[in-house]
Amino acid sequence: AQKVTQAQTEISVVEKEDVTLDCVYETRDTTYYLFWYKQPPSGELVFLIRRNSFDEQNEISGRYSWNFQKSTSSFNFTITASQVVDSAVYFCALTTYNTDKLIFGTGTRLQVFP
Amino acid sequence: GAVVSQHPSRVICKSGTSVKIECRSLDFQATTMFWYRQFPKQSLMLMATSNEGSKATYEQGVEKDKFLINHASLTLSTLTVTSAHPEDSSFYICSALLSPYEQYFGPGTRLTVT
Repeated sequence: AQKVTQAQTEISVVEKEDVTLDCVYETRDTTYYLFWYKQPPSGELVFLIRRNSFDEQNEISGRYSWNFQKSTSSFNFTITASQVVDSAVYFCALTTYNTDKLIFGTGTRLQVFP
Repeated sequence: GAVVSQHPSRVICKSGTSVKIECRSLDFQATTMFWYRQFPKQSLMLMATSNEGSKATYEQGVEKDKFLINHASLTLSTLTVTSAHPEDSSFYICSALLSPYEQYFGPGTRLTVT
């Protein structure tokens, strides 16, 4: 069975702090894809990143970075120098080979205070 | 980039009436679309997979007679909540598949049943 766990329900930080959102996944498939989405208060899901299981390179995009470690089945997301606009719910998701069904984690609500 | 729209964005209806929600892929054709449901402060739960020209595939526990899905064209899928009741109040989100493992989400529809 596939499962995504986001153990952090809510995180509060002050602007300019760095924050890491954890994501742990479970799957027996060797080919799979991991995603991060941002859901601001408006409700629309914003795609942040997709990573396949064969690409363990860390990725950096501006203030965002992702650490994919197959050894620990984790795909953590770090926001550097957080800003108030980063306040949102962040979802980690998983899909496996031959299916496009996304399995979402329970989400982490990030609040960035000025 | 790939854009998915939903209409309406908000709808309030009386108990016992039916409500139709449209999901459109604006700049690409989508053979497959998905419908999700999200309760307040919870994750997204996949309700069904909508395939153009064929019957939708519903997830376990989702009543297909309650949530009618029609995918009549490559750019439009509709979800009809029949005989809606207050417990059907929720945030409904659709997504469209641009290519394998690449879903784009609509902005969501907030349904309130009074």
